[in-house]
Amino acid sequence: EAEVAQSPRYKITEKSQAVAFWCDPISGHATLYWYRQILGQGPELLVQFQDESVVDDSQLPKDRFSAERLKGVDSTLKIQPAELGDSAMYLCASSPGQGAEAFFGQGTRLTVV
Amino acid sequence: QQQVKQSPQSLIVQKGGISIINCAYENTAFDYFPWYQQFPGKGPALLIAIRPDVSEKKEGRFTISFNKSAKQFSLHIMDSQPGDSATYFCAARGGTASKLTFGTGTRLQVTL
Repeated sequence: EAEVAQSPRYKITEKSQAVAFWCDPISGHATLYWYRQILGQGPELLVQFQDESVVDDSQLPKDRFSAERLKGVDSTLKIQPAELGDSAMYLCASSPGQGAEAFFGQGTRLTVV
Repeated sequence: QQQVKQSPQSLIVQKGGISIINCAYENTAFDYFPWYQQFPGKGPALLIAIRPDVSEKKEGRFTISFNKSAKQFSLHIMDSQPGDSATYFCAARGGTASKLTFGTGTRLQVTL
């Protein structure tokens, strides 16, 4: 069964350091999402890609967060510098197209110390 | 601004009982209402979804009830099992290009 792959599964980093997460969507899925899920809350969209183009990054803290999907396949989310409040689960999801069902990966649990 | 309100925050149900989780929304442009199930350490998985042109959708032991006029929808889990113990999120989306807005989640525990 096809899955959304994310790495690493867990990451501990010191504040002010840079950190990056990687996502490989299900093959053929044109839409890719990055969500942040703070413990005890629902996921919140950070950025949405359609192929290699950003569709929605209105909730992405652009002073420290960046995301790219250069070839329209896998994607990287970067935080620099990390802050204590960035501790959360970072979820990647993909779908065949906008409006279709989204499939989530297992996430990257980030702890900033 | 929280556009999807979910209750209760946590729920304990005995095995065989009915679990009911409620959500309310404000944005009348929402036209797709999914429920996700999330186990610890895993990403959310789609459980069941409904569109506002129907008032109820049933898949196995899971039923969504939808009240468009009240802008409310709920998830009913019949014959709840210990394996159903997880966190459940309702969500809503308006139009094909817009994002999913999630509720705050309900932690369900089904006891023996």
